[in-house]
Amino acid sequence: GENVEQHPSTLSVQEGDSAVIKCTYSDSASNYFPWYKQELGKRPQLIIDIRSNVGEKKDQRIAVTLNKTAKHFSLHITETQPEDSAVYFCAASTRNNFNKFYFGSGTKLNVKP
Amino acid sequence: KAGVTQTPRYLIKTRGQQVTLSCSPISGHRSVSWYQQTPGQGLQFLFEYFSETQRNKGNFPGRFSGRQFSNSRSEMNVSTLELGDSALYLCASSPGQEALYYEQYFGPGTRLTVT
Repeated sequence: GENVEQHPSTLSVQEGDSAVIKCTYSDSASNYFPWYKQELGKRPQLIIDIRSNVGEKKDQRIAVTLNKTAKHFSLHITETQPEDSAVYFCAASTRNNFNKFYFGSGTKLNVKP
Repeated sequence: KAGVTQTPRYLIKTRGQQVTLSCSPISGHRSVSWYQQTPGQGLQFLFEYFSETQRNKGNFPGRFSGRQFSNSRSEMNVSTLELGDSALYLCASSPGQEALYYEQYFGPGTRLTVT
């Protein structure tokens, strides 16, 4: 089955700096890659996603890039703010697997004011 | 629209008991997936139901089972509880239709503690 690896496990940045979280996947059939943000004690929230027919997607301060050849995708957060502090999870799924998502192990982002 | 709801939010059970967790998806969503979240193993897929049928399952023992009702509400059952079953159990709702096939929205979770 699919294996998703996520790095780094923890990331500390100064407010206003950029943060980058990287994920790799193993199954070339994976074609959907969402990112979730989970604040302490809360549910994971979908913040951005990308499908395999697109190389990059942006939504205000966050962006995701996908390199299908290398089988990796990344989350970029610019102008970080303290409220961006949370655990971020990447995931991958294939169309034929009916919403079976494989998650990365998570990155704890700490934005220092 | 109301979000995904899960009941109960917290549960304490003893080893050997069984437990049933409930999930109500977003109105109109027909797919419900279940995940186990633990500090050591992260988010792991249990199973997914669509229109009352299990379409996919993860690598969990048969003690973990589920079902979905005609109104799309889903239940998850864990029998013969073990200490290692202590976790946050999350359900996720998705339209399950072709055009919006993938987007999943999570419920708040049920925190299960097995003593």
